[in-house]
This record gives sequence, structure tokens and C-alpha cells, in this order.
Amino acid sequence: DTAVSQTPKYLVTQMGNDKSIKCEQNLGHDTMYWYKQDSKKFLKIMFSYNNKELIINETVPNRFSPKSPDKAHLNLHINSLELGDSAVYFCASSQDWAEQFFGPGTRLTVL
Amino acid sequence: GDSVTQMEGPVTLSEEAFLTINCTYTATGYPSLFWYVQYPGEGLQLLLKATKADDKGSNKGFEATYRKETTSFHLEKGSVQVSDSAVYFCALSSQGGSEKLVFGKGTKLTVNP
Repeated sequence: DTAVSQTPKYLVTQMGNDKSIKCEQNLGHDTMYWYKQDSKKFLKIMFSYNNKELIINETVPNRFSPKSPDKAHLNLHINSLELGDSAVYFCASSQDWAEQFFGPGTRLTVL
Repeated sequence: GDSVTQMEGPVTLSEEAFLTINCTYTATGYPSLFWYVQYPGEGLQLLLKATKADDKGSNKGFEATYRKETTSFHLEKGSVQVSDSAVYFCALSSQGGSEKLVFGKGTKLTVNP
């Protein structure tokens, strides 16, 4: 069974569109995260939720809105997509002190 | 703020060569330190970690020692294999229970047969 899964794996869309990426973890963890990895592989945290409550929000544009319907799911909705949003987005989860388990990533391409 | 600096890549080695990837950090308090590995087309996996000074993390032949005096956590392996080709990320988590990881920029390793 996949521990942290994301859908879709690839997402190609036009500028200005709205899209969502879904993440689910079956590890029973309380905390989930979204990271953005740019074309140079630089990885930066965007959001973190603990038991459905937002605890980290790293100066991400308002166009990005995370939603956690329950502690096993953390979705990322992006409005008015821009070229600079093209990246690989990783979901992760953790229970212990910062030992995080990552999903396989969603490669978003904005044309 | 907290930061991690790791050696720029890419690094290209022949099989069985010795590997060192340097990592230094800046942090307040006593962070935990990590090495994550990202194989092509996959997400990151925890490779090893150390939570206090002088701890040595080890896994799959890789080692790193938490050096508080030099604020370093260099990754080493005595004999690399082609299957070790990946991107390696050094990271820290600051004291305070925030569970927030700060990553270095990653070092791409290619091992040739």
C-alpha cells in the first residue's frame, strides 16, 4: 500500500486556469505538508497542517489555498495559474519529530 | 533565519569511489539534522538523521556525523554504486516542535559503471 499518494502525477494546463492537487496518507500521521520544488530542484515548504489546522504558511500567494477535510487528506487548490507556478509539488506527512514521508510528486506545467 | 548550505553539484564519480557531500547549517538552538535522497522520478526518502551533537547517522553504507563545533553534517560513503545515483538533500529541523524542515539546494550525484 502506498503510504503517501498524490493525484494527478502530471498536470498540464493553461495560464489563468484553476486546478487542484490531492494528497492522501494512510500512515495515521497528524501532520501534512505541501512543498514546491523548482526546476533547479530547490525544495521549499509552502504549508503545514496538524489535525486539520493550518500551522505553517510560508508567504505563499493567496492564489494557493490548502484544504484539509480530515487528517488523512490535504489538498492544494491553485487559482489563476501563472507560468511561475510550474514546478513539482510534493505532499508529505509526519508524526515524529520532523521525520517526514513524501509522496511521489505532481509535476505541474503551466503553458 | 535557519539555513542549510550544501556543496553545489553535479558530482560525477566512478563506481566504488569515495563520496563526500558537504553540508553546513545555521540555526538557533539545537536542530535535528537529516539527509534525504531523491531517486529519479520519485519523492524524497529519509536516508539518515542525527538529533544531537556527535551523533552519527548511518544507513545503506552512508554516514554523517553531527558536528556542532563546525556546524556541519557531511555525508560520506566509502564505495558508491550506480544505484546511488540520485539527488541528495541536507535538511534541518529547528528546536521547538514546529516540524518545519529547511532544505539545502540538493546535490545531484551520478555514479558511472
